[in-house]
Amino acid sequence: ETGVTQSPTHLIKTRGQQVTLRCSSQSGHNTVSWYQQALGQGPQFIFQYYREEENGRGNFPPRFSGLQFPNYSSELNVNALELDDSALYLCASSGSGAHTDTQYFGPGTRLTVL
Amino acid sequence: EDQVTQSPEALRLQEGESSSLNCSYTVSGLRGLFWYRQDPGKGPEFLFTLYSAGEEKEKERLKATLTKKESFLHITAPKPEDSATYLCAVPSYAGGTSYGKLTFGQGTILTVHP
Repeated sequence: ETGVTQSPTHLIKTRGQQVTLRCSSQSGHNTVSWYQQALGQGPQFIFQYYREEENGRGNFPPRFSGLQFPNYSSELNVNALELDDSALYLCASSGSGAHTDTQYFGPGTRLTVL
Repeated sequence: EDQVTQSPEALRLQEGESSSLNCSYTVSGLRGLFWYRQDPGKGPEFLFTLYSAGEEKEKERLKATLTKKESFLHITAPKPEDSATYLCAVPSYAGGTSYGKLTFGQGTILTVHP
């Protein structure tokens, strides 16, 4: 069974640029959630996708957007990057959108905005 | 809004010195509580889910317990390889009909010295 994978591992961008992060969900999972984790903090929920539809969103501006594909992989897009966007971006997959389901996390993408 | 607070922020133990980590929560309705372990620069690794007060779960040197207001992660005779950040999280309202958002505490950094 393949776990959650994310790409790239690390990324360096400059302020104002756009970035796309990718996530492949665990085999058999149809739900993907994205989180932002600043240094020394717990992860913060960005949004969740269930069967290609957005299924909940946290307190992030519209320049954070996402997609889920028919194979349940997902992308996180961030436009107009700001210095505060520097963080570890985590993707988690689960078997369904139910709150009782365990979310399994990928290794993360470390984004640095200069 | 749901809140999760973990204490202490950091804990240093000698190998074999047992202790407990605390996770207190304020939620509109408890829908479960999750414990994760996170190594530096990596994604959180799932440890336990607890669903109701009085429930306990064990895995090797770790035991998680749940009351109506808090959860404890007990570490018995820890080893240096138990050093990590331990995160707890609760499912929270994410919009629409979704409670798939995990609200995390800030974590407890555990260091076990040989």
